[in-house]
Amino acid sequence: DAGVTQSPTHLIKTRGQQVTLRCSPISGHKSVSWYQQVLGQGPQFIFQYYEKEERGRGNFPDRFSARQFPNYSSELNVNALLLGDSALYLCASSLVVFRGRPYEQYFGPGTRLTVT
Amino acid sequence: QKEVEQDPGPLSVPEGAIVSLNCTYSNSAFQYFMWYRQYSRKGPELLMYTYSSGNKEDGRFTAQVDKSSKYISLFIRDSQPSDSATYLCAMSAGTGRRALTFGSGTRLQVQP
Repeated sequence: DAGVTQSPTHLIKTRGQQVTLRCSPISGHKSVSWYQQVLGQGPQFIFQYYEKEERGRGNFPDRFSARQFPNYSSELNVNALLLGDSALYLCASSLVVFRGRPYEQYFGPGTRLTVT
Repeated sequence: QKEVEQDPGPLSVPEGAIVSLNCTYSNSAFQYFMWYRQYSRKGPELLMYTYSSGNKEDGRFTAQVDKSSKYISLFIRDSQPSDSATYLCAMSAGTGRRALTFGSGTRLQVQP
């Protein structure tokens, strides 16, 4: 079974540019979350989407935006890139159940973004 | 103060040792607790998932949660060099649309 896939695996951008990262969840999973992991730290929550709607947002500026498509894949967009945006961007998918058994999140390999 | 505290290590042990990894947290709303393993430059891999207080065992791994002390642990028995990785604890307040709050990770090195 295919796990969470992300593209591209690595990219290099210049300050001020814009970037789009892509994620495909595990088949059957309807929720996608995005996390930022700076080197040496744990992942930090950016967004959660479920059924194409934003269900949660972390403490990130408006330069960060995301969307989810009818096939449950997702894109994360970052505008006006800063040096501090250099990080591993992780996508996690989950099978959301609102009663009973809580969800588990499964992560993709990440996209490593370097801003110069 | 961070919501989840985790000793960054590195923790170096000989092959076959029992490893104890720990996290403390401050948010009493956390009910769901996970441990992830992350190899260098890879995404986190879910190892263990527990709900509320108690123990859970899966092969060489045992997860413990003590909500009264706001303290969780992961024990690895008969550690192997392939266990060398960064271990991240993560926790969530509830079901459904809840984000995970992670610790900063503990780097483990198992020496052959």
